[in-house]
Amino acid sequence: SYELTQPPSVSVSPGQTARITCSADALPKQFAYWYQQKPGQAPVLVIYKDSERPSGIPERFSGSSSGTTVTLTISGVQAEDEADYYCQSADSSGTVFGGGTKLTVL
Amino acid sequence: QVQLQESGPGLVKPSGTLSLTCAVSGGSISSSNWWSWVRQPPGKGLEWIGEIHYSGSTNYNPSLKSRLTISRDKSKNHFSLKLTSVTAADTAVYYCARNLAAFTWFDPWGQGTLVTVSS
Repeated sequence: SYELTQPPSVSVSPGQTARITCSADALPKQFAYWYQQKPGQAPVLVIYKDSERPSGIPERFSGSSSGTTVTLTISGVQAEDEADYYCQSADSSGTVFGGGTKLTVL
Repeated sequence: QVQLQESGPGLVKPSGTLSLTCAVSGGSISSSNWWSWVRQPPGKGLEWIGEIHYSGSTNYNPSLKSRLTISRDKSKNHFSLKLTSVTAADTAVYYCARNLAAFTWFDPWGQGTLVTVSS
């Protein structure tokens, strides 16, 4: 079955750049999307169509795609960015989420 | 702006049916969007359940398809989820969300509702 693979955790210091990857064989054919989820809250869309940023999302959030991997980059990480991040894509069977990455701001 | 709110029983008995409704405000369910359900077991990741188009067309997660029905009520501007033969593995926070096209991104989301399967 189709799977999206994310690292379980990423740690960075404030002001540094965090990169969270999401990989799968089918990604070059489908767009990927990214969500931020803080404890006790619903997910929030931060990137759509690989690299588009919704209105209201800070410019420090960006997305990119290369081969079978898409990457969420958070530049100048702030303490408030500590959260779980999920990628999402789809194949012919439906929508799939990655397992999630916990971003820790040291 | 569109807002979504889930409602339904917080406790369901094993082998019973889980039923939830998502009320849509600030917009019409009859607009050309898809309306979806996503769940998250406690401490775990997100799982797509399925989606319904305003026309009534549906797409379901293959792993849940045999137990799942998603429907919509245009007159009440809401859509619903029914999952039969539930077990403890169906315990999760259930979210409803809007997606502009099938199998695409979800925005916005409802706040989520916890459903526990237990006797």
